[in-house]
Order: sequence, then structure tokens, then C-alpha cells
Amino acid sequence: QQQVKQSPQSLIVQKGGISIINCAYENTAFDYFPWYQQFPGKGPALLIAIRPDVSEKKEGRFTISFNKSAKQFSLHIMDSQPGDSATYFCAASSNRNSGYALNFGKGTSLLVTP
Amino acid sequence: EAQVTQNPRYLITVTGKKLTVTCSQNMNHEYMSWYRQDPGLGLRQIYYSMNVEVTDKGDVPEGYKVSRKEKRNFPLILESPSPNQTSLYFCASRWGSGPSYEQYFGPGTRLTVT
Repeated sequence: QQQVKQSPQSLIVQKGGISIINCAYENTAFDYFPWYQQFPGKGPALLIAIRPDVSEKKEGRFTISFNKSAKQFSLHIMDSQPGDSATYFCAASSNRNSGYALNFGKGTSLLVTP
Repeated sequence: EAQVTQNPRYLITVTGKKLTVTCSQNMNHEYMSWYRQDPGLGLRQIYYSMNVEVTDKGDVPEGYKVSRKEKRNFPLILESPSPNQTSLYFCASRWGSGPSYEQYFGPGTRLTVT
């Protein structure tokens, strides 16, 4: 059972545009929400993460927006660049999870065209 | 350089032939885990270990074994591989068991079972 639902599955954005990837969860015990970026042939790498006590976190061109009441969070990539083309995974976890596992979404393949 | 290494990177084998995928980290991390990545399914945790000699099942443990005899190594064992274990496998490690510690992924092992 997928605990984190991610959409869209794929996304094409023009250079300079805004890329938006959305995730939703049901488990109210989740208290840590990271986003991972994966380039072809590489393992995922942590991009940015947020805790539910804040509604937004920004790091450079990457912003997480968090809506606790709706149980949704999203990644916004401003001024998208061809180098941002990768697969993005949202995830959620809780200190009350057995093994503190990260529950990943299914991923979004982002292509930024020149 | 801080890293998680996996070997082999690519492996083609036949049904029933036992194999081991090695994983090693040089960051003195307590927590290590194995994931498999399948198209459309994202990353799913197979097994995890919170410290030496402490291992437990993740979401998809069937057909896999692990051991943690040393802090740095966490091999994944397939005693009798089957075609449905054809997948991309990632080892990961982090400093502590809490999920908010950054998780570092290895480069992946692509396994094909014929």
C-alpha cells in the first residue's frame, strides 16, 4: 500500500519555467518530508526536506510548500534548467514508524527543455 | 570521500543461483538499509539495520536475507533468486535511526534474473 501518493508521473517544462510536483499522505504520524533527486545511473540524493511545523522551506530555486490540514506537500522548482532534468521522489517518515523507514512516492520524471 | 559503495553494479544470473550484493559505507553510520526500485513503484525498503547484529524486515523482505556483522558492511543475499527479483537495488546509510538524518544512497546494482 503506497503511503505517499505522488503526481504527476512525468513532467515537461520549458527552461525558465516553474516545475511543480505534488504529494499527498494519509498517515498523520508522519513528521519528516524529504525530497530526493535522482539522475540516470545514480542513487537518489537528498534535495530538500521539511518538518510540519513550517508551511514553506526554500533553498535556492527549490521550495517545499506544506499543507498540514490537507496532508499535502509539493516541490516547486523555479527558473527550471535543463540540468534539473531528473527523477524526483517525495518521501515521508515518522519516528513512530517501525525502522524509521522512508516511505517514497512513485517518482516524477522531469524533463526541462532548452 | 564519504560514500556508500555497492558491488557488483550490474549482474545477470539464472534462477536459483545464490548471489550476494555487497554494500559498504565509510561514514561510521549506524543505520543501513536496502531498497529496490521498480518502474512505477518507486523505492521500497527490503531490510534495514539499526546497528551491528540488529536487522529487521522492511516492506518487501520475501526472498532476501541480510547480515550486519560489521558496522560498515551490510550485504544483501538472494539465496534462490527468481525473475521477479529483477530490479535496481540501492543500499543506503544514515548517521542515526531517526529519519531526519540525511540518508546517503549507493550507486545502485542492476540485477537481472533469467
